[in-house]
Amino acid sequence: QKEVEQDPGPLSVPEGAIVSLNCTYSNSAFQYFMWYRQYSRKGPELLMYTYSSGNKEDGRFTAQVDKSSKYISLFIRDSQPSDSATYLCAMETGGFKTIFGAGTRLFVKA
Amino acid sequence: ETGVTQSPTHLIKTRGQQVTLRCSSQSGHNTVSWYQQALGQGPQFIFQYYREEENGRGNFPPRFSGLQFPNYSSELNVNALELDDSALYLCASSNPTSGGAGGETQYFGPGTRLTVL
Repeated sequence: QKEVEQDPGPLSVPEGAIVSLNCTYSNSAFQYFMWYRQYSRKGPELLMYTYSSGNKEDGRFTAQVDKSSKYISLFIRDSQPSDSATYLCAMETGGFKTIFGAGTRLFVKA
Repeated sequence: ETGVTQSPTHLIKTRGQQVTLRCSSQSGHNTVSWYQQALGQGPQFIFQYYREEENGRGNFPPRFSGLQFPNYSSELNVNALELDDSALYLCASSNPTSGGAGGETQYFGPGTRLTVL
């Protein structure tokens, strides 16, 4: 069993839709939870960062962490074609090693 | 732009050869991590360097080695290349403010695409 599970998709939605992306994990020691966006032929770019449980909002993006269920989510409101990318969840226990999910490919159709 | 640069952009090698990939960290960042990203997968942690010392390592064999220089630029060396080493190699720089306790923002470079034939 992988430490971090993420549905690879692809996920296709119409412009303006609310997108829900999620990951599950098995290691209860994870404390730091991140979402990265990766465009084709580019490196990952940090979108959201959350420490421990709770919600965090930044513009059209909302990250949620439920440590009791070992489940994290990223919501994108009013999705745009420019949001089309691969979204990677990532987690850390604290220290040097970041564990990434496999990434979900998102397509937003105009 | 994140300020992290990598070279070369693309590289083609044959099985058994050796390769060196280079990374220039964002200004002021003293920590660099290297990742391997196979096609359709998330990045996998190879190792991290902090102030020129290896700070931690993932599940990669010893033929994957690295260096960090006084100016905090870095190299990833891979010996005895295998077909499965074909991947995108990413470096990420950060500047820990919490003694390496975790959660520092990492800035990724664009990666080097390595193909092993």
